[in-house]
Amino acid sequence: GAVVSQHPSWVICKSGTSVKIECRSLDFQATTMFWYRQFPKQSLMLMATSNEGSKATYEQGVEKDKFLINHASLTLSTLTVTSAHPEDSSFYICSARLDRDGQPQHFGDGTRLSIL
Amino acid sequence: GNSVTQMEGPVTLSEEAFLTINCTYTATGYPSLFWYVQYPGEGLQLLLKATKADDKGSNKGFEATYRKETTSFHLEKGSVQVSDSAVYFCALANSGGYQKVTFGTGTKLQVIP
Repeated sequence: GAVVSQHPSWVICKSGTSVKIECRSLDFQATTMFWYRQFPKQSLMLMATSNEGSKATYEQGVEKDKFLINHASLTLSTLTVTSAHPEDSSFYICSARLDRDGQPQHFGDGTRLSIL
Repeated sequence: GNSVTQMEGPVTLSEEAFLTINCTYTATGYPSLFWYVQYPGEGLQLLLKATKADDKGSNKGFEATYRKETTSFHLEKGSVQVSDSAVYFCALANSGGYQKVTFGTGTKLQVIP
């Protein structure tokens, strides 16, 4: 089945550091990938829709300059948290889907980001 | 806009008990419906899906039927196991386009031996 790989799975870094998270679709091509943020014991919040070869579409309230998204190929999207601060600590999850109606999104295992 | 409402948890059941997690939705058009499961510290895994009215999705003993008349997609399992302990998310996505997914708030299930 469709597999989405997310890397790294856990990051701990100092405040002010920029952190890049990769999301890869391993056995299918994905024109569209999605980035979510999940706070403890809460549901997923869609941050942005990543479109291959074009700019990402951000949800209301998500800072574009803070969360940089690059979708340079049909199998790779990256999320960079720039100048991260403790309030950015969270669980970030990406997903991708096959480009056909009715197909579900397939999720990566998530990245736990801890900013000290 | 689209929305998904799930029963609040946590739900605590004894092993081999019957499980129902209610899910209702509001959406335009004819969305596809999904149940995802999240084990501790992991991402989401698709559990089952249904793409049109009266479809029944099933997997690993779990079932859910797409009920358009009641806008519901309740998750059921006849006999839960300790290994089923996880958070379950009901979700919908409209057909076509970017198929943005709307999630419910999640229901934590704890199964005790």
